[in-house]
Amino acid sequence: ILNVEQSPQSLHVQEGDSTNFTCSFPSSNFYALHWYRWETAKSPEALFVMTLNGDEKKKGRISATLNTKEGYSYLYIKGSQPEDSATYLCAPPNQGGKLIFGQGTELSVKP
Amino acid sequence: DAGVTQSPTHLIKTRGQQVTLRCSPKSGHDTVSWYQQALGQGPQFIFQYYEEEERQRGNFPDRFSGHQFPNYSSELNVNALLLGDSALYLCASSGRAGSEKLFFGSGTQLSVL
Repeated sequence: ILNVEQSPQSLHVQEGDSTNFTCSFPSSNFYALHWYRWETAKSPEALFVMTLNGDEKKKGRISATLNTKEGYSYLYIKGSQPEDSATYLCAPPNQGGKLIFGQGTELSVKP
Repeated sequence: DAGVTQSPTHLIKTRGQQVTLRCSPKSGHDTVSWYQQALGQGPQFIFQYYEEEERQRGNFPDRFSGHQFPNYSSELNVNALLLGDSALYLCASSGRAGSEKLFFGSGTQLSVL
C-alpha cells in the first residue's frame, strides 16, 4: 500500500513570498508522480506529471523537482500571488493509473 | 471541447437509501476513475473503468459499484448509504496510459442524513 505524505498541511504566506512544500512517497516501484492544484469551488487541475529522477518542470512561477531514489518531490512557488491560494496535491500512480493522493498542502496567500 | 461533467452537483439522501452519480469523460478519453474526498483528506481511489470493465479497485466495500457505457460515460452507485458516505465524489478521465494526467469534474457533493 502506497503511503504518500505531504508537508506542511497548511501554509500562510504574504503576497510576494516564495514558498515550497514537499511530497514523500515510497521509492520502490516508482512509475510517475503527479502534482495537482485544487482551487476552492473548482476541479483539481493537473500541474505536472513527472517520470524521471532529477526531472524538473516549470509552469510560470511554479516549478517542481523529483528525486525517485529517495522518494520525494518539491513544489516551489516564486513570488506567491493571491490567485495561487489552493490545495496542492501530489499523487504517484501505479502502472494502471490508480493515483494515491497525499492529503495535500493548503496554501493561503494574503495580499 | 467539454471537459469532464458530473451530475448532480449536490445530493441529499438518508441512511439506507441508494444513490447513482453520473460522469461524462473529456472528449477523446476512454478511462474513467472515481474518487471520494472526505474533509481533511486527499481524494481516495474508489475504482477505475476501461472498456466497460472495472480494471482497478480501491479499498471500498461492495456497496460501491459502477458501470461504464459504450460511450465511455460512467455511473457510480452506492447502496445502503451510511452517514460516513457523506463526501465529495470526483470523477476523472484520462487516456489509457497511467502516466497521463487526469482531468477532473467538479464533483458531486453527497450528504447522507
